[in-house]
Amino acid sequence: ILNVEQSPQSLHVQEGDSTNFTCSFPSSNFYALHWYRWETAKSPEALFVMTLNGDEKKKGRISATLNTKEGYSYLYIKGSQPEDSATYLCALANNYQLIWGAGTKLIIKP
Amino acid sequence: DSGVTQTPKHLITATGQRVTLRCSPRSGDLSVYWYQQSLDQGLQFLIQYYNGEERAKGNILERFSAQQFPDLHSELNLSSLELGDSALYFCASSAGGGGYEQYFGPGTRLTVT
Repeated sequence: ILNVEQSPQSLHVQEGDSTNFTCSFPSSNFYALHWYRWETAKSPEALFVMTLNGDEKKKGRISATLNTKEGYSYLYIKGSQPEDSATYLCALANNYQLIWGAGTKLIIKP
Repeated sequence: DSGVTQTPKHLITATGQRVTLRCSPRSGDLSVYWYQQSLDQGLQFLIQYYNGEERAKGNILERFSAQQFPDLHSELNLSSLELGDSALYFCASSAGGGGYEQYFGPGTRLTVT
């Protein structure tokens, strides 16, 4: 059974600070790795889909890296803002479906 | 707005009943995914369809079934409802399989009393 682990489970960060968290997955038979942001009372929203080892993607203050050989991805947020408060989900893709991690809940303290 | 629509937004029904949830994917997307989010739980994958065919099945109960129609909209049927089926049901669509990002609808909140 494939397992996707995210750490930490939750994180409190001061506004303006930068932060990062981890997604770990089995490195064999890698297909793609997804990151989503899920704000309270809203629907998950796609951030990145990464497929190549060494991939780095960026969207504004948020970026992600991928290491398929060792089975991890990092999500970085630079200069956290209150609107970054959300649960960040990663998901490992096979051909047809995503295996979801439990998420990292990020709370930005003003 | 993701472009994915789900109806109804809220549904309240009694145990033992049957309901149908509807999803219209984003224009051009061929894949539809159904997810369940129970209280304080993460996303549980139920089932995926691609261009009318079932492609992947997750933790979907036998009391639940789904289909995707020729116009690509999808319906999730939940029968013999139990209290534990109360949850938020999301539909998501994508252009294809696992290499494509998923666009989520607003969800249907089901309450079984």
